[in-house]
Amino acid sequence: EAQVTQNPRYLITVTGKKLTVTCSQNMNHEYMSWYRQDPGLGLRQIYYSMNVEVTDKGDVPEGYKVSRKEKRNFPLILESPSPNQTSLYFCASSRPGQMETQYFGPGTRLLVL
Amino acid sequence: KQEVTQIPAALSVPEGENLVLNCSFTDSAIYNLQWFRQDPGKGLTSLLLIQSSQREQTSGRLNASLDKSSGRSTLYIAASQPGDSATYLCAVITWEYGNKLVFGAGTILRVKS
Repeated sequence: EAQVTQNPRYLITVTGKKLTVTCSQNMNHEYMSWYRQDPGLGLRQIYYSMNVEVTDKGDVPEGYKVSRKEKRNFPLILESPSPNQTSLYFCASSRPGQMETQYFGPGTRLLVL
Repeated sequence: KQEVTQIPAALSVPEGENLVLNCSFTDSAIYNLQWFRQDPGKGLTSLLLIQSSQREQTSGRLNASLDKSSGRSTLYIAASQPGDSATYLCAVITWEYGNKLVFGAGTILRVKS
């Protein structure tokens, strides 16, 4: 089954404790991205990657890091999480090109205390 | 800057009713427009993608139209069912922003049995 998976699905952590949210897709997609969803603000792009070893900032990259060492994986790293990073996070992937449907993972709900 | 607006913010209808969800965008230079469905605790499911050269797309009881020049799209749901209850999101990809999806805030739909 073609899918985008994220782990963990739910996470409670404390300020300053480094964490990684993993994202993996099995569709051989070149393009992957991360979004966060907040009430009243909707979904906003954090980072994206056009291919392996190619990443770039989205609209709200502060406090986040990403890496793309393999085509299928695109982890989101919070080096020192803060309460304002409490949010619902989604990973997405697609084939290259702006005409392609983007597929989303199930989401990771993060609470930073 | 591309902005996407969805009206209404919430809608409650009796089962069997036909309904229309509206989406408008400020920059008509789009590559495509995508409608998603979001269920609580779950990810985003792509419903329909309309490319900029197309006027409409249909999938089962769903029909999406696009009027790029006026910056509008509608999602028509025929013979609504309780299982259609969800949040519906509209998103566009614009020439200026690569593969980034710019989302509306969504319409929360409740279909009463």
